[in-house]
Amino acid sequence: EAAVTQSPRNKVAVTGGKVTLSCNQTNNHNNMYWYRQDTGHGLRLIHYSYGAGSTEKGDIPDGYKASRPSQENFSLILELATPSQTSVYFCASGDPGGSNTEVFFGKGTRLTVV
Amino acid sequence: GDSVTQTEGQVTVSESKSLIINCTYSTTSIAYPNLFWYVRYPGEGLQLLLKVITAGQKGSSRGFEATYNKETTSFHLQKASVQESDSAVYYCALGITGNTRKLIFGLGTTLQVQP
Repeated sequence: EAAVTQSPRNKVAVTGGKVTLSCNQTNNHNNMYWYRQDTGHGLRLIHYSYGAGSTEKGDIPDGYKASRPSQENFSLILELATPSQTSVYFCASGDPGGSNTEVFFGKGTRLTVV
Repeated sequence: GDSVTQTEGQVTVSESKSLIINCTYSTTSIAYPNLFWYVRYPGEGLQLLLKVITAGQKGSSRGFEATYNKETTSFHLQKASVQESDSAVYYCALGITGNTRKLIFGLGTTLQVQP
């Protein structure tokens, strides 16, 4: 089965600091995604990528950058972390549009910005 | 735009009773989206529960069922007899295809099954 690994699993950051969340997938998927999950908002798409070197803005990109240096790795970067970015972040890879494909999710990163 | 609306908040059901979690969708991006139910068990990531890509078809997994109804733009999740191990958060999702390929999620429904 497809494996999506996120690191770290938990992170406490200070306001104004830089935070990098990492994601690795081992199934050669072109598409990768970063979502955040908040009570009352469900999962919302931050950034996504169609392959190495590409990043696209999702529905809530403000305050976040993304980097896809290789097929396997996709990072989410908070240059100046704020308390409003406290959330659970999920990385995913795969294709939601194919008949024989699916999107696989990591276990999540719980980020607390104090 | 594209959106998913599902039964909000927490649903509490006694073990062996039936369950229905409502889900409706709206999309301007694609005429026939793929529809999904994902589940998140405590301490785990999201897992695909079931997926239906053809209007009128039913998907099933682990005793759960959902039918893709294009007329009512609905994809309700049902189970005839829930178990305590079904306690989790359930998300309905819409798959956008074409030039932009992504999942749009509902807010999630927390199912608590009481023994």
